[in-house]
Amino acid sequence: DVKVTQSSRYLVKRTGEKVFLECVQDMDHENMFWYRQDPGLGLRLIYFSYDVKMKEKGDIPEGYSVSREKKERFSLILESASTNQTSMYLCASRDGGPTDTQYFGPGTRLTVL
Amino acid sequence: QKEVEQNSGPLSVPEGAIASLNCTYSDRVSQSFFWYRQYSGKSPELIMSIYSNGDKEDGRFTAQLNKASQYVSLLIRDSQPSDSATYLCAGDQAGTALIFGKGTTLSVSS
Repeated sequence: DVKVTQSSRYLVKRTGEKVFLECVQDMDHENMFWYRQDPGLGLRLIYFSYDVKMKEKGDIPEGYSVSREKKERFSLILESASTNQTSMYLCASRDGGPTDTQYFGPGTRLTVL
Repeated sequence: QKEVEQNSGPLSVPEGAIASLNCTYSDRVSQSFFWYRQYSGKSPELIMSIYSNGDKEDGRFTAQLNKASQYVSLLIRDSQPSDSATYLCAGDQAGTALIFGKGTTLSVSS
């Protein structure tokens, strides 16, 4: 059974704090992704990684950074959290072919006060 | 045109009816498409994928792809209240990230 796990289901942080969101997949997938989902805006891609230590900006990378030191783990970092980063954050992984399924983690609901 | 577009709904159908969900896509999206279902507060889960022109059936679900019209649809037969969710259409972008539409909310009334 495929699995993508995220470190927290709910997180509350203060403005200006550094925030780490962790994601682990057990499927040996090449590609990993971070999305945020907001009402009316849908899923928006923040960053993705196609290999260890490789990363690519998505549609909304501003205010975020990522780290992929091991194939199974992809971290999203909010360097200085702001209230407009309050959102649902979804991690996903996928192998490298155009017909391969993308699997999502359970999501982290982040609230920045 | 946005890469993947869906009517946001809500789409309301009575129990037992056929629900029809539609999606159009631009040239930036390749020819593999995926339908995900997302319940409120949960993450998206895959329902169907389709890569070739025509229909693909899986139980009560049928996906349809028309590459000439750049159109993908999902039909849900014998709709049940448990089908009430947001349905996301996604297209592949060169084997890396999927590009998602904003989703259509389906409500099935009993």
